[in-house]
Amino acid sequence: ETGVTQSPTHLIKTRGQQVTLRCSSQSGHNTVSWYQQALGQGPQFIFQYYREEENGRGNFPPRFSGLQFPNYSSELNVNALELDDSALYLCASSLGSHNEQFFGPGTRLTVL
Amino acid sequence: ELKVEQNPLFLSMQEGKNYTIYCNYSTTSDRLYWYRQDPGKSLESLFVLLSNGAVKQEGRLMASLDTKARLSTLHITAAVHDLSATYFCAVDEAGGGSEKLVFGKGTKLTVNP
Repeated sequence: ETGVTQSPTHLIKTRGQQVTLRCSSQSGHNTVSWYQQALGQGPQFIFQYYREEENGRGNFPPRFSGLQFPNYSSELNVNALELDDSALYLCASSLGSHNEQFFGPGTRLTVL
Repeated sequence: ELKVEQNPLFLSMQEGKNYTIYCNYSTTSDRLYWYRQDPGKSLESLFVLLSNGAVKQEGRLMASLDTKARLSTLHITAAVHDLSATYFCAVDEAGGGSEKLVFGKGTKLTVNP
């Protein structure tokens, strides 16, 4: 059984650029949630995708968007990057939208 | 809006000592999680607590849940250096069809020899 994987591991961008982060869910899981963890803080919920539809969103602006594909992998896109977007981005998958989430290793994004 | 508070935020303790981390949350929820995070790493699931009075133990860590008091505790027994990490509690803010986890700010635990 393969766990949750994320790519890339690290990424450096400059303000105003756009970035795409990728997540492959654990085998058999159909739900992906994304979280942002700023340095020294707890993770914050960005949004969740269930069967290719957005299924809940946290308090993040529209420049944070996502996709889920038929194989349940997911992308997080962030447009017009700001310095405060620098964080660890965590993806978590689950079987169904109300079950335990299993976290991937994260992508460390640095915005200069 | 669900709020989750952990205390203490920083904890320095000696090996062999016992201590408890507290997690309070503001609205009703049907599940609570404890995670461990090492520096630069992702979250490692420690416990899932699903009902009032639930108690789970793994090694030197024991977690409990009191849904009436909206309080969970993570008790550390006879701490060892390997337990040094940041510990997060997270509460399921159910509703709207999705499970949204709301995390506390974390407790950074340092166990000194």
